[in-house]
Amino acid sequence: GIQVEQSPPDLILQEGANSTLRCNFSDSVNNLQWFHQNPWGQLINLFYIPSGTKQNGRLSATTVATERYSLLYISSSQTTDSGVYFCAVGQSGGYNKLIFGAGTRLAVHP
Amino acid sequence: NAGVTQTPKFQVLKTGQSMTLQCAQDMNHNSMYWYRQDPGMGLRLIYYSASEGTTDKGEVPNGYNVSRLNKREFSLRLESAAPSQTSVYFCASRDSHNSPLHFGNGTRLTVT
Repeated sequence: GIQVEQSPPDLILQEGANSTLRCNFSDSVNNLQWFHQNPWGQLINLFYIPSGTKQNGRLSATTVATERYSLLYISSSQTTDSGVYFCAVGQSGGYNKLIFGAGTRLAVHP
Repeated sequence: NAGVTQTPKFQVLKTGQSMTLQCAQDMNHNSMYWYRQDPGMGLRLIYYSASEGTTDKGEVPNGYNVSRLNKREFSLRLESAAPSQTSVYFCASRDSHNSPLHFGNGTRLTVT
């Protein structure tokens, strides 16, 4: 099946810093999402982005499907950005399975 | 608009006991999913239902059964719980394979 790798596994930032999280996948996809799991365990949709670029406030994401990667940018980080960021992909032809990466654990310190 | 609702939020079972985790969505989505999340790991797909009346195995189906009761509800049953099934269980739904996935808040299950 499709492999999903996220990097870095852990990231520590000072409040106000910028960061880039990466998601590599091993096959063509028809679905890609970024999620934030907050310290209470809730999974929050950030972006549905199988291709192209989207922005939502301080967060933006870019997926280059032909090169099999996606990037999540966090600018001017805040302590509330702390948690785990997951990338999940749906393989083209694998009609309904959405497979998750292991996540990037982000800690933002004041 | 409640989205995806899971019950219970917490459960403790003894080895060998059975239980059913309930999930309901009010977004009229066609597809529903059960995932488990173990400490420090990503989510792994247990079972999914692409549409009402169908169910399929995911990555880790052993020890579980599911029922798609109707379009709104998708339950996960543990017939004989084992300590290896201690985990956080998430239900999710989406309209189609190229639409975003929406999660419930999870059920934290401990098997002693």
